[in-house]
Amino acid sequence: SYELTQPPSVSVSPGQTARITCSGAALPKKYAYWYQQKSGQAPVLIIYEDSKRPSGIPERFSGSSSGTMATLTISGAQVEDEADYHCSSTDSSGHQTHVLFGGGTKLTVL
Amino acid sequence: HLQMQESGPGLVKPSETLSLTCTVSGDSLSTTSYYWGWIRQPPGKGLEWVGTFYYGGTTNYNPSLKSRVTISVDTSMNQFSLKVNSVTAADTAVYYCARHGYSYGPEFPFDYWGQGTLVTVSS
Repeated sequence: SYELTQPPSVSVSPGQTARITCSGAALPKKYAYWYQQKSGQAPVLIIYEDSKRPSGIPERFSGSSSGTMATLTISGAQVEDEADYHCSSTDSSGHQTHVLFGGGTKLTVL
Repeated sequence: HLQMQESGPGLVKPSETLSLTCTVSGDSLSTTSYYWGWIRQPPGKGLEWVGTFYYGGTTNYNPSLKSRVTISVDTSMNQFSLKVNSVTAADTAVYYCARHGYSYGPEFPFDYWGQGTLVTVSS
């Protein structure tokens, strides 16, 4: 199986644009998904199929994917966006499909 | 509105079996067309998929845990359960149950999560 790789941390000032990357060999063939996890809480799905937002997710969250890298962009990051962000996809290289998560990226907004 | 709640012992001794239950309200596991899974998160670390069961009873486990993990369902109680055998300190984690949402793409990401429960492996 393959892995999804994220930077451990990203830091921006309020109002700046934050970009969090996720690299993986199968991303050209598989969609990337992004979860936001605030301290002490369960993760929440914020981006699906590389770039779509579920209902209720603010427009400042966007996603893109090119080749082996997916990117989560937070335009005009706010203090309330400080959280861990996890990318996810799947591995179908065997006879079953397995769920993969990246190591998570801690976003600091200060 | 779907709700999920994990329950089980917060402390397990090394070499013993970790057992957790997820109680589901807002959907029936006997008639559901969704998939249901377990995810864990060691303290200060990232998420790790543990396994999934599909309607009809098929299961699918993380290859790194497959030899020690069993997921089962009790439709009479509307619960599904996780057992991890021969635990070590490395199994210490917050364990989440979650639903795979097929409205969000072919990889069926998790769209509903329980609040999570911390299980510590220690003597």
